Amino acid sequence: KQEVTQIPAALSVPEGENLVLNCSFTDSAIYNLQWFRQDPGKGLTSLLLIQSSQREQTSGRLNASLDKSSGRSTLYIAASQPGDSATYLCAVSTGTNAGKSTFGDGTTLTVKP
Amino acid sequence: GAVVSQHPSWVICKSGTSVKIECRSLDFQATTMFWYRQFPKQSLMLMATSNEGSKATYEQGVEKDKFLINHASLTLSTLTVTSAHPEDSSFYICSAPLRGRGGEQYFGPGTRLTVT
Repeated sequence: KQEVTQIPAALSVPEGENLVLNCSFTDSAIYNLQWFRQDPGKGLTSLLLIQSSQREQTSGRLNASLDKSSGRSTLYIAASQPGDSATYLCAVSTGTNAGKSTFGDGTTLTVKP
Repeated sequence: GAVVSQHPSWVICKSGTSVKIECRSLDFQATTMFWYRQFPKQSLMLMATSNEGSKATYEQGVEKDKFLINHASLTLSTLTVTSAHPEDSSFYICSAPLRGRGGEQYFGPGTRLTVT
């Protein structure tokens, strides 16, 4: 059974800092890994998708890496802004069934102005 | 980009009644949709896989007779919470993978259910 862990559970940084969020998973036979953002009381917004054959994806100030052999992914946020404050979730699809994902508990990020 | 909608966005119902939640893929077809539940300050837990034209597949511990799923078309899946109880109060979210984009999941905005 796939288990996904996110560290840290919460993070508070001053505006402008670069930061890294971590996601680890126990079963390396993944289909893809996806990072999401969730604002309080809202649904999920997809940030980055990494296929099992890829090592990283970039979008603007965000960069996600994937190391299947070690069961790890990181989300790097450059030059953080108060608007980045949200909960960030990592989701791993295992096997061949795209979309059936296991989620981590999330990292709640607060960026202070 | 791909859009998934849910209706209603929030609903309050009395204990013992049934509530139907709709999930629609607005600009793409989805033969498969997923239903998740999220309790306060917890992560998402997969409840079931909705398959167009066939029965849904439920995760262990999810009562299929309580959470009825119907995937009537390639763009619509419904989740009906039957005989709702206060412990069913939660945030229900659906998703649909976009096959042409490596299975990237697109999520609906969620439905907040409160059972009184």
